[in-house]
Amino acid sequence: QQQVKQSPQSLIVQKGGISIINCAYENTAFDYFPWYQQFPGKGPALLIAIRPDVSEKKEGRFTISFNKSAKQFSLHIMDSQPGDSATYFCAATSGSRLTFGEGTQLTVNP
Amino acid sequence: KAGVTQTPRYLIKTRGQQVTLSCSPISGHRSVSWYQQTPGQGLQFLFEYFSETQRNKGNFPGRFSGRQFSNSRSEMNVSTLELGDSALYLCASSWGLGADTQYFGPGTRLTVL
Repeated sequence: QQQVKQSPQSLIVQKGGISIINCAYENTAFDYFPWYQQFPGKGPALLIAIRPDVSEKKEGRFTISFNKSAKQFSLHIMDSQPGDSATYFCAATSGSRLTFGEGTQLTVNP
Repeated sequence: KAGVTQTPRYLIKTRGQQVTLSCSPISGHRSVSWYQQTPGQGLQFLFEYFSETQRNKGNFPGRFSGRQFSNSRSEMNVSTLELGDSALYLCASSWGLGADTQYFGPGTRLTVL
């Protein structure tokens, strides 16, 4: 019940395209859903986050869509750039213990 | 404001040894959490400290322990190292207990030979 399932495992998009990463959770006690971006050799960096009382949150080229009834949320990266090539993790928490998805390795080709 | 710092950045140990990793949280942050990252298991929660007390613990054996000092700095210790302990150990800080926004350090890469 504590799992967060993430897909796809890897994703290749062309520069300027839209990258979409999906996550699903089971635990209805989760009340905060962050996305992290991780580059090789670095720690995860907070990208954007949403709470379940909001269906969508947009920050620049990054948008989270949240479907509370389906217990699913997704990250959309608009106008993807080669610099966005990284591993993306969704996560969920109730309090301060983060439960992470498996990660998606995104490659944006020039 | 300086970010989360972790030392050392890289460590090589042999089986059976013990290791201590250090984490300095963002100034003003009082909660420190530790995570283990491996290719097979992904990112897994180890434990959280707040006000020098362990508040939350993940499913790791007792060989993994930690502590927090009065200045919020934290250390984690792994005793009797096993090959499977090779991982990136990440520290994250947040302003208080139960605070959901966590900021990660660069991690300590531990290799056990």
